[in-house]
Amino acid sequence: AQTVTQSQPEMSVQEAETVTLSCTYDTSESNYYLFWYKQPPSRQMILVIRQEAYKQQNATENRFSVNFQKAAKSFSLKISDSQLGDTAMYFCAFTTHAGNNRKLIWGLGTSLAVNP
Amino acid sequence: DTGVSQDPRHKITKRGQNVTFRCDPISEHNRLYWYRQTLGQGPEFLTYFQNEAQLEKSRLLSDRFSAERPKGSFSTLEIQRTEQGDSAMYLCASSYSGDSDTQYFGPGTRLTVL
Repeated sequence: AQTVTQSQPEMSVQEAETVTLSCTYDTSESNYYLFWYKQPPSRQMILVIRQEAYKQQNATENRFSVNFQKAAKSFSLKISDSQLGDTAMYFCAFTTHAGNNRKLIWGLGTSLAVNP
Repeated sequence: DTGVSQDPRHKITKRGQNVTFRCDPISEHNRLYWYRQTLGQGPEFLTYFQNEAQLEKSRLLSDRFSAERPKGSFSTLEIQRTEQGDSAMYLCASSYSGDSDTQYFGPGTRLTVL
């Protein structure tokens, strides 16, 4: 079965500090894509960062970076210099491209609160 | 703005009524996806289209649910004989097959069945 586990239902961080959200996944496929999305309260799902499994280099997008450990099937998100606008639900997800499959498999999310 | 759009944003209906939602993808995207999200959960996949062809449909999608993408552009999701358990946020996303199929989401349609 393909699954995503986010072990931290809720987290909080002080503004300007760094926080890491954890994610582990399970798939038997060798080629897949990993994503972090954020969903602010009552707002739409926004792509934060993506990682192709065949790339060893960790993806970065401004203050957001990932620690991708393929052997451990781990894909954590680091947010540096946290801002109040980072307050949101963060979802880890992946998709394989086996056959016609393109659906995203999602974790349950981590609710992040950035405190002033 | 050329992002994914969905209409309506909110829908309140009575049990047993039919409802239809519309999704307009990003213009150059050839794939379109529907997900359902209930409170406190991650989205769950319903179905997706490549151009006008429906390539995958979740087993969770009962016979009361149907989706179309008649000209490979916008898509509609219809729910017949709504039930209270259908209350959820319905999310649409689109992707381009040449961009590793990264999915971009619309604002969603929140359905409340009374």
